[in-house]
Amino acid sequence: KAGVTQTPRYLIKTRGQQVTLSCSPISGHRSVSWYQQTPGQGLQFLFEYFSETQRNKGNFPGRFSGRQFSNSRSEMNVSTLELGDSALYLCASSFAQNTEAFFGQGTRLTVV
Amino acid sequence: GEDVEQSLFLSVREGDSSVINCTYTDSSSTYLYWYKQEPGAGLQLLTYIFSNMDMKQDQRLTVLLNKKDKHLSLRIADTQTGDSAIYFCAERGSQGNLIFGKGTKLSVKP
Repeated sequence: KAGVTQTPRYLIKTRGQQVTLSCSPISGHRSVSWYQQTPGQGLQFLFEYFSETQRNKGNFPGRFSGRQFSNSRSEMNVSTLELGDSALYLCASSFAQNTEAFFGQGTRLTVV
Repeated sequence: GEDVEQSLFLSVREGDSSVINCTYTDSSSTYLYWYKQEPGAGLQLLTYIFSNMDMKQDQRLTVLLNKKDKHLSLRIADTQTGDSAIYFCAERGSQGNLIFGKGTKLSVKP
């Protein structure tokens, strides 16, 4: 059974640009959550999608957005990038909301 | 608010047992989790415990839950150098998202 796949693994962007990250969950899983990991703030919740609907959102500005497709794949978008957006972005896949969450390898975003 | 706390560092000798501790605040959490993160990698789910359990054993891993004190621990028996990593404790928040501690960096000396 394939795990959670995140693409790309690494990205370098310039301040002011926008970026789209992709996550393919484990087959059969309908819940996808996104987390940002930084050395200073640790792991912070961005948002959760279930069956194409955003079910829950963390405390991030509106520049951070996401969506989920009918095949459960999810994308997150960050517009007007700032240096502080440099982080490891992790996607987690679950069968349902309160079940185990399995993480992908992450996308390392560097904003210069 | 919802919070999870862990000590930041633990150093042990190869072959010893490691015990990583965690405290959490949300008493309604149904599941509590332990994740492992190696350098440059994502989070690997190690084990989890349901809130109506006191203990769960899985090979070298033993999880103890004291619900009264909101204290969770992970014991790794016969710790190996390959166990060197950062270990995160996590609970489910009231809205269903995972709330993580800052992570405990485990260093295993040969």
